[in-house]
Amino acid sequence: GAGVSQSPRYKVAKRGQDVALRCDPISGHVSLFWYQQALGQGPEFLTYFQNEAQLDKSGLPSDRFFAERPEGSVSTLKIQRTQQEDSAVYLCASSLDKNYGYTFGSGTRLTVV
Amino acid sequence: EDKVVQSPLSLVVHEGDTVTLNCSYEVTNFRSLLWYKQEKKAPTFLFMLTSSGIEKKSGRLSSILDKKELFSILNITATQTGDSAVYLCAVATQGGSEKLVFGKGMKLTVNP
Repeated sequence: GAGVSQSPRYKVAKRGQDVALRCDPISGHVSLFWYQQALGQGPEFLTYFQNEAQLDKSGLPSDRFFAERPEGSVSTLKIQRTQQEDSAVYLCASSLDKNYGYTFGSGTRLTVV
Repeated sequence: EDKVVQSPLSLVVHEGDTVTLNCSYEVTNFRSLLWYKQEKKAPTFLFMLTSSGIEKKSGRLSSILDKKELFSILNITATQTGDSAVYLCAVATQGGSEKLVFGKGMKLTVNP
């Protein structure tokens, strides 16, 4: 597609519910990133894929967070047993090559009530 | 720990003013510095800087990097209300992960 597509745009989850957030990167982009952006803060790195390989997951805040990209294109970020502190905008970005800029999607705003 | 600090964190100006946004960084294995504009949710790419002293320009926006003093500035001249946004500075490192380390962002409000 023309840009990075994320769905859903908004998600309200009850505390304890599991959620799955989807990212469809720009076609042909090898690198894919997930970031978490709390209100009034800059994005914070969660995890990075190169094709289907998850090369860095050092930013995932707990073992409730899990990401996958099984065929090297679409990625899913799953959060189990959501907590209020998980409320944030989850941004996905993709990149063709590290020497080019990263293109971000519009994000998914997750609100845990 | 890698760190990116932006200043000021917010600024209110009138249309036509010139603004300068600052970004300083402390990272191991610096590769590049990037500026993004964030209006609603998706940060949009402005500049990528890798070399010191070379100014990049795009219309009324320009940016420069100083790798010796570890900072960058983003200038916006003749500001317009459409420039109102959060401006994010991020640093990419080399070796291992290609992740970006972001500053907190600077909220610019341009009043008519």
